[in-house]
Amino acid sequence: DTEVTQTPKHLVMGMTNKKSLKCEQHMGHRAMYWYKQKAKKPPELMFVYSYEKLSINESVPSRFSPECPNSSLLNLHLHALQPEDSALYLCASSQVEYGETRVNTQYFGPGTRLTVL
Amino acid sequence: SQQGEEDPQALSIQEGENATMNCSYKTSINNLQWYRQNSGRGLVHLILIRSNEREKHSGRLRVTLDTSKKSSSLLITASRAADTASYFCFTNYGGSQGNLIFGKGTKLSVKP
Repeated sequence: DTEVTQTPKHLVMGMTNKKSLKCEQHMGHRAMYWYKQKAKKPPELMFVYSYEKLSINESVPSRFSPECPNSSLLNLHLHALQPEDSALYLCASSQVEYGETRVNTQYFGPGTRLTVL
Repeated sequence: SQQGEEDPQALSIQEGENATMNCSYKTSINNLQWYRQNSGRGLVHLILIRSNEREKHSGRLRVTLDTSKKSSSLLITASRAADTASYFCFTNYGGSQGNLIFGKGTKLSVKP
């Protein structure tokens, strides 16, 4: 199984809502990533988890809260978002080699299209 | 800051023609990868070239890496309409999981 799944596919939320994005993989990968992608722009790294521990936080606002409950699941909790947070949110996973994700060949999910009203 | 810069930003060709996309980066890297993204969907890994490699092939794809010029090129030969997508280079530099950056991308349109 080389698939990364993400739910929901689309999400519309108000600025006062609390919602969560979910990501799942069953490839045995121990590194998982969240990216944010605005229209016509490349993906931008938000968070990296390695062995279920947060290893990278790219100065993301606290209204985005990641969680990795186990090695197969990755969540992104959303609260008090702004309209400019509307974007495609991509989850990815990769193997961890030599104790670090040097190679970083990533497998991406299809993304969640988020609209904040 | 953006690590990878790609050119051209957009490329339109006819089926059967070759497509070449270039990527430049700013600092030393461990490896460079190319990904494809169909409109509004997830990215698909195409090929990885390590910093000690100069050229790599995979099917109709050919990737070169010139570390002295800090640049890479992706060549798609005998293009097909199904190759229409955005192509991004991706660099991993430094010794940890950080420093993972996508280039700005090239939007390729292959006309039947």
